[in-house]
Amino acid sequence: DIQMTQSPSSVSASVGDRVTITCQASQGISSWLAWYQQKPGKAPKLLIYAASSLQSGVPSRFSGSGSGTDFTLTISSLQPEDFATYYCQQANTFPFTFGPGTKVDIK
Amino acid sequence: QVQLVESGGGVVQPGRSLRLSCAASGFTFSTYAMHWVRQAPGKGLEWVALISYDLNKKYYAVSVKGRFTVSRDNSKNTLYLQMNSLGAEDTAVYYCARGVPAAIRGWFDPWGQGTLVTVSS
Repeated sequence: DIQMTQSPSSVSASVGDRVTITCQASQGISSWLAWYQQKPGKAPKLLIYAASSLQSGVPSRFSGSGSGTDFTLTISSLQPEDFATYYCQQANTFPFTFGPGTKVDIK
Repeated sequence: QVQLVESGGGVVQPGRSLRLSCAASGFTFSTYAMHWVRQAPGKGLEWVALISYDLNKKYYAVSVKGRFTVSRDNSKNTLYLQMNSLGAEDTAVYYCARGVPAAIRGWFDPWGQGTLVTVSS
């Protein structure tokens, strides 16, 4: 199975901060990577697909980059509604696997 | 609008079975791959199973293979997950999620609200 790691596991940030989350795959997955946002008690929401494509309706302050094994999710200016947990997911090979998550909370 | 609504969760004893359903609306169900993803309490996300749009391909996580069966009825716009030989490790919120059209590799969007399965004696 392809293992996905994320760093940091948690980050404390303020409104307006730039936040960067990294995701690493244990083997190359080309651009078969997605990012999701999950708030407590809610279902995950797709933010980024194909490593860098912004899902319709998602604010442009979210961006994704990378290919192969190393990927990044960036929130350019953190807003109050962005405090949540973020997961990466590889869709290159079955079984699909998720990273362990990065919790973004208020500093 | 696109909507997925899961049902069938509840409390079940270890070793018993349960069937989850996911009713889809607002899109052409028969053209999309569909997935089940679960989340144990306080834990991360675990992909469980996929069924292709045409029912020809099914894939499972190692943790459920041989115990869980994914199926779909395209005439009823409904996805199912038959879960047998349940154990405490299967306790989780189970989400259904839409995959991509006419393919199996891809992302999940949208997700249902989830249904909680608790395995306990």
